[in-house]
Amino acid sequence: QQQVKQSPQSLIVQKGGIPIINCAYENTAFDYFPWYQQFPGKGPALLIAIRPDVSEKKEGRFTISFNKSAKQFSLHIMDSQPGDSATYFCAAGREISSGSARQLTFGSGTQLTVLP
Amino acid sequence: DGGITQSPKYLFRKEGQNVTLSCEQNLNHDAMYWYRQDPGQGLRLIYYSQIVNDFQKGDIAEGYSVSREKKESFPLTVTSAQKNPTAFYLCASSIGNRGHTGELFFGEGSRLTVL
Repeated sequence: QQQVKQSPQSLIVQKGGIPIINCAYENTAFDYFPWYQQFPGKGPALLIAIRPDVSEKKEGRFTISFNKSAKQFSLHIMDSQPGDSATYFCAAGREISSGSARQLTFGSGTQLTVLP
Repeated sequence: DGGITQSPKYLFRKEGQNVTLSCEQNLNHDAMYWYRQDPGQGLRLIYYSQIVNDFQKGDIAEGYSVSREKKESFPLTVTSAQKNPTAFYLCASSIGNRGHTGELFFGEGSRLTVL
């Protein structure tokens, strides 16, 4: 119930394409769903995040779609650029115990390559 | 600039040796974390600490130890008991307050190779 399943493992698109990365979870206690972007040799950085009370969130070229009933969420990158080539991780967060900080469980990552 | 500093960036170790990875943050965050990253396996939580002098095991704590004597520091020791220590290690912090999203801020990582 703690797992977050992410697919695909790798993805190659042409410049201008719209890569889509999908994640699914089981535990309904999760209430925060961020996406992190990681460039080679660097730590991940928060890209965009959503709460389960909305079905979609856009920030620039990045959009999260969230389907609460299906327990799935996805990342769409509009007009993808070679500079978007990175590894993307989805995550799901919940409070482990009353009064605690929220803990994140990560998906296995998707390596995205955007060809020029 | 505020952030998280990990050192060393690269580390080589012989089998049977303990090594300690440093993590320092100046974000005034209460919570700190250590993750291990292996290809195709995402980020797995080793240990976390929500307050000074307190820490909890994560999903893969065996063979690792930590301390939290100061708010800004959370060193990780990879002991000789860790069977497969070669990996990329990431330290992170978050505000840690109840109700906060839990957004993590990561360091740039330390790559440990066992020879």
